[in-house]
Amino acid sequence: GDSVTQMEGPVTLSEEAFLTINCTYTATGYPSLFWYVQYPGEGLQLLLKATKADDKGSNKGFEATYRKETTSFHLEKGSVQVSDSAVYFCALLYNQGGKLIFGQGTELSVKP
Amino acid sequence: GAGVSQTPSNKVTEKGKYVELRCDPISGHTALYWYRQSLGQGPEFLIYFQGTGAADDSGLPNDRFFAVRPEGSVSTLKIQRTERGDSAVYLCASSLGHSGANVLTFGAGSRLTVL
Repeated sequence: GDSVTQMEGPVTLSEEAFLTINCTYTATGYPSLFWYVQYPGEGLQLLLKATKADDKGSNKGFEATYRKETTSFHLEKGSVQVSDSAVYFCALLYNQGGKLIFGQGTELSVKP
Repeated sequence: GAGVSQTPSNKVTEKGKYVELRCDPISGHTALYWYRQSLGQGPEFLIYFQGTGAADDSGLPNDRFFAVRPEGSVSTLKIQRTERGDSAVYLCASSLGHSGANVLTFGAGSRLTVL
């Protein structure tokens, strides 16, 4: 079945370091891809999305490119801040339906 | 309202009891979703409504779980004969429609603990 796999956490970085969180998916069609973020004590929030191959989603300095050939949607940020500490979830959604399928989440901890 | 509201935020119950969790979606959002998130895991789909009807309930784990949305707005997730394995955070989300272009807005969740 359809699934999303993320790199395991926790990921610990120093402030201003470069971030990559890997995400790969298995799907039979052409889903939309998302990154959601869950800050401590808060609900899930959409970070960015891409709806077709080669699209790049971006927000708050984070970027991810929809790579159909490698079935990947890796999250990157050039310079992380302490305030980026959170759990990040990769997810896919088919256009015809409402079922988001999430990865297991990757916890990011940024130290000053 | 401005966001998706879920009540209660925390619920502690005993094994075998009945529980109801309520979700108040964003006004005007026709699609409503329930997810379950266990500790250290990603949210797991349970059911989604388009209007009053359940369009996809394939994620409900068994017949102890049931959800309704009688007027196409507020939804209630009902769990009968709770078990310790039901302990999780239950998340509700809503969106304008149900296509991939519509972004889901999540509530803060209801944390259920079954003793």
